[in-house]
Parts: sequence; C-alpha cells; structure tokens
Amino acid sequence: QVQLVESGGGVVQPGGSLRLSCAASGFTFTNYGMHWVRQAPGKGLEWVAFIRYGGSDIYYIDSVKGRFTISRDDSKNTLYLQMNSLRAEDTAVYYCAREQWLGRKGEGYFDYWGQGTLVTVSS
Amino acid sequence: QSVLTQPPSASGTPGQGVTISCSGSSSNIGSNSVNWYQQVPGTAPKLLIYNNNQRPSGVPDRFSGSKSGTSASLAISGLQSEDEADYYCAAWDDSFISWVFGGGTKLTVL
Repeated sequence: QVQLVESGGGVVQPGGSLRLSCAASGFTFTNYGMHWVRQAPGKGLEWVAFIRYGGSDIYYIDSVKGRFTISRDDSKNTLYLQMNSLRAEDTAVYYCAREQWLGRKGEGYFDYWGQGTLVTVSS
Repeated sequence: QSVLTQPPSASGTPGQGVTISCSGSSSNIGSNSVNWYQQVPGTAPKLLIYNNNQRPSGVPDRFSGSKSGTSASLAISGLQSEDEADYYCAAWDDSFISWVFGGGTKLTVL
C-alpha cells in the first residue's frame, strides 16, 4: 500500500535551517509528481512546493521562493524540502503528498498524504 | 485571506444534508478542476472529491461535488457523526502559478 512518511521536523531558531524528508513506498516513485503542503497551528492548508517526476518542473509559493528548495532522490524514493532563513511564520505541520496528474494543465489532485512533521521556528 | 473562499462553519443534524460552497475566480476554479479534502482534527487530510465530481474508491456516495463557473460545491447527504471534520477545496491557479486552497469549513454534526 502507498505510504508517505515525513521526518526532519523540530525546533529551530529564526534564520536557521532544516531539511525535511518524505520516504515513499508502495508505488513507483519515479512516475509521480510530489508536493509539500503545510498547516500552521489552528489554520488551514497552504500549498508550499511541487516537483514533477524527473524533476523537470518545480514550483513554489511566493513566500518561500529563494528560501526553500524542493528536491527528490529517485534512487532512494525520497522527497526533500530544504528550508533556509526560517521565519516564525513558517511554523507549521509539513505534509508531503503524491500528485495524481490527469494529463492536462491544471488537472490533478493529491491522492495520498503523509502524517506530517512539525516545524517550530522560535527563539 | 485565502484565494478560494469557503464559509468558516457549517452544521446539520444526523440524517440531514449540508452543502459547502467554494468561490474562486477565472484563474482557478473558472479554468481548472476542483478537488475536496476532508481533515479530521489531528490527522492528515484525505482526498474526498477530485476533478470536480469524482469520488475515489472507498468514499461513500453520500459525498458529491459540483462546479459551475467560478464556484464549486460539496454536498453531503445523510449526515453521520463521523462526517464531523474540516473540509477544504483546492484548485490550480493559472495567475499565481500555484495550488490554492480554501480557508476550510468546519462541519459540526449536532
């Protein structure tokens, strides 16, 4: 069965860095685009970043551009999110999610989600 | 403020029906499909409806989705206590070049 397991969260000071990982299993990782979605405490979902299969396309929400880097290691079936220059407003549970793409622009959905990993940015 | 607008709350009694709206614009709902996610507090979101009105296997047919113009709706019939959760709509936005979510609707089953 499809499994996504995030790790790497923790407490970090403002300006610090963290690298999140998402270990995938139960499907052919190389065939799927992957996303990071976050949820601040008591708030709604916010999409953060996307990487297409093969790494050919990468997108970020404006608020993390230049600070976060999404990447993947297909040999390890693992998705990453390198987070630098962290701010208090980056505090959230970070979920990785698999994209099921319908083959047309703007047509896809997140069909499997991990359990999330908590990132707390605080001094 | 979220790009997609949802009512913050909705409620109904067991057996009743409820509809949750999601309002967007021509750059998101107006030109792309809408997906709905259910999140029980303390757990990860779960896909509920995709491509406007398609249900993944395992989702009861009590849940249905629709889209018209720049708005979408999630309808839940025959409410059950386990439907109490937060519901989010989502779509790709061609202007922001990003996925956008609604702010979420907290459904209470009275």
